[in-house]
Amino acid sequence: DIQMTQSPSSLSASVGDRVTITCRASQSISSYLNWYQQKPGKAPKLLIYAASSLQGGVPSRFRGSGSGTDFTLTISSLQPEDFATYYCQQSYSTPWTFGQGTKVEIK
Amino acid sequence: QVQLQESGPGLVKPSETLSLTCTVSGGSVSSGSYYWSWIRQPPGKGLEWIGYIYYSGSTNYNPSLKSRVTISVDTSKNQFSLKLTSVTAADTAVYFCARRSLGQPYFDYWGQGTLVTVSS
Repeated sequence: DIQMTQSPSSLSASVGDRVTITCRASQSISSYLNWYQQKPGKAPKLLIYAASSLQGGVPSRFRGSGSGTDFTLTISSLQPEDFATYYCQQSYSTPWTFGQGTKVEIK
Repeated sequence: QVQLQESGPGLVKPSETLSLTCTVSGGSVSSGSYYWSWIRQPPGKGLEWIGYIYYSGSTNYNPSLKSRVTISVDTSKNQFSLKLTSVTAADTAVYFCARRSLGQPYFDYWGQGTLVTVSS
């Protein structure tokens, strides 16, 4: 199985801050990396696919980058509705696996 | 607009079988364009992909659960189902059904999730 490791596990930030979350794969996954946002009691919502492609309807303040084993999700200016948990997920090979999540909290 | 809705018992006894159904609306499980997956999330923890089924009936399961999992599809009802045998407390989780397109390697539509508790 491909292991996905996110860092940090949690962070505190203020509205307007730039936030960066990293995701590392245990082997190369090319660009088969997706990012999801999950709010309490809700299903995950796709934000970024193929490492850097923005899903339709997702604000442009979300940006994904990386390839191979190292990936980054950046929120350029954190908004109140962005406080949530973020997961990376590899779709390179089954079993498809997720990172452990990064919880973004209000500072 | 595609919608997925999970249904099934919210409480299952240890050693018994967990059974859930996902009803798809606004789309067809008979379409050859999608994989239909189950994903679970223990309370306060991360996401685990359980497996998928294709309209033809072909399946792919997570090896960690493969010996206990069966996913099936009922095209007449536009549903797909999950059976997990010999459950323990470790199987307590919110279970989500989700869709992934063949040409797009991500989960684009999810059900709202249903909590299944394993307890006597």
